[in-house]
Amino acid sequence: AQTVTQSQPEMSVQEAETVTLSCTYDTSESNYYLFWYKQPPSRQMILVIRQEAYKQQNATENRFSVNFQKAAKSFSLKISDSQLGDTAMYFCAFSTGGTSYGKLTFGQGTILTVHP
Amino acid sequence: DTEVTQTPKHLVMGMTNKKSLKCEQHMGHRAMYWYKQKAKKPPELMFVYSYEKLSINESVPSRFSPECPNSSLLNLHLHALQPEDSALYLCASSPQTSGGPFEQYFGPGTRLTVT
Repeated sequence: AQTVTQSQPEMSVQEAETVTLSCTYDTSESNYYLFWYKQPPSRQMILVIRQEAYKQQNATENRFSVNFQKAAKSFSLKISDSQLGDTAMYFCAFSTGGTSYGKLTFGQGTILTVHP
Repeated sequence: DTEVTQTPKHLVMGMTNKKSLKCEQHMGHRAMYWYKQKAKKPPELMFVYSYEKLSINESVPSRFSPECPNSSLLNLHLHALQPEDSALYLCASSPQTSGGPFEQYFGPGTRLTVT
């Protein structure tokens, strides 16, 4: 069974600063995918960034980047130039490939607050 | 159109009522999902449909009954619910049904309150 652990229940950052959210996972699979999802207060959950396990290069999407350490089973999210709109709950999630039908295993989430 | 829509946005129902939640996507995705989410918790998978067939049922009580009438529409029929079933119900869809990477697109959810 796969597990995903987010060790930071809450974090805060000042606007324009950089913050890193931590995520570790445990799996015996070799083919898998990792995601960060963002859920703003009372708003829709959206995909922030995706990483394929077979890719060595860390994924980036504008101000969002990941540090994927496969051997350490670590997948942290870095948010640069934080904005007020980044305030949200962030979930790290894991999915195996093959015929899993995309079943996601979520971490417990990190509530990020960006202060002006 | 990269949107998943859900209706209604809010629903209050008594324990003896029968109601339905609706989810729709027009992205051509062939995998659709129902999740239950409690406040400040991660979503919990309930059901997965792949090509309109139920592929995963995460041991959900029979008072929740899913239905996939066509490739764009997903329903969740509710009957004789309990107060602990009050939650945000999320629908999601994915373009992949096998292989990966299974990016899921979520709807805004239906906030359900059982009285």
